[in-house]
Amino acid sequence: TAGITQAPTSQILAAGRSMTLRCTQDMRHNAMYWYRQDLGLGLRLIHYSNTAGTTGKGEVPDGYSVSRANTDDFPLTLASAVPSQTSVYFCASSDSGTGGDTQYFGPGTRLTVL
Amino acid sequence: GQNIDQPTEMTATEGAIVQINCTYQTSGFNGLFWYQQHAGEAPTFLSYNVLDGLEEKGRFSSFLSRSKGYSYLLLKELQMKDSASYLCAVMDSNYQLIWGAGTKLIIKP
Repeated sequence: TAGITQAPTSQILAAGRSMTLRCTQDMRHNAMYWYRQDLGLGLRLIHYSNTAGTTGKGEVPDGYSVSRANTDDFPLTLASAVPSQTSVYFCASSDSGTGGDTQYFGPGTRLTVL
Repeated sequence: GQNIDQPTEMTATEGAIVQINCTYQTSGFNGLFWYQQHAGEAPTFLSYNVLDGLEEKGRFSSFLSRSKGYSYLLLKELQMKDSASYLCAVMDSNYQLIWGAGTKLIIKP
C-alpha cells in the first residue's frame, strides 16, 4: 500500500507564478490536511478537509486554496507565489479527523520561491 | 494563545536513556501525540496519550499529566538510528493538532 503520495518532490518557482501541489491517499481516510514546516517552527496547518466536498481554513491559509472533489485527492494551490511561501509542505490524512485520530504523512514537497 | 514548548536540542549517548519534555497550553484537550521525524523525511507516529499516566511501547514510553499540562517521551537503550527530531502535538477542542517546534536528539557513540 502506497499510503500518501505527494508530487512534486521539490520545485523551484518564480515569484508571481501559480502552482498546484498534489496529494493522493489510498487508505480511504475521510480527513486530509496540508501543513507547512519551517525551520524553528512547528508544523502549521494551512487547510484541512474532514470529508470529501468540504474544506476548512487552518492557522495560515492566506495565499493558498484547496479542493476536495473526492476522497483520495487533496490538491493545494498557490495562486501567486511569494518568497515567504518557501517551505516544506506535508500532506496528511486520518480516518475521521476526531479525537485520538492518528495523522499519517506524505513524504513532503520542498518548495523554493525566488 | 496556544503554545507547545519543548527543548530545541538534546544530546545523549548510545545505550543510555533520555527524556524529552513537552509542556502545553491549548484551547481544549483531545489528546497528545508524539511523532518522530528523521532529517528530510515525513513525521511518523510514535504514541498517543489522552488519559494521565504512562504508555509503554517497546523502548519508547510516553507520560501525560493533564493537570500540569505536561508530557514526556522516554527513550531507553538508545540506538544511533534514534537520532531524529521528536515532535509533540496536542489536539485542541476543534480536533486540530497544535505542534511544538520539535526536539532534535543527537546520539553519540
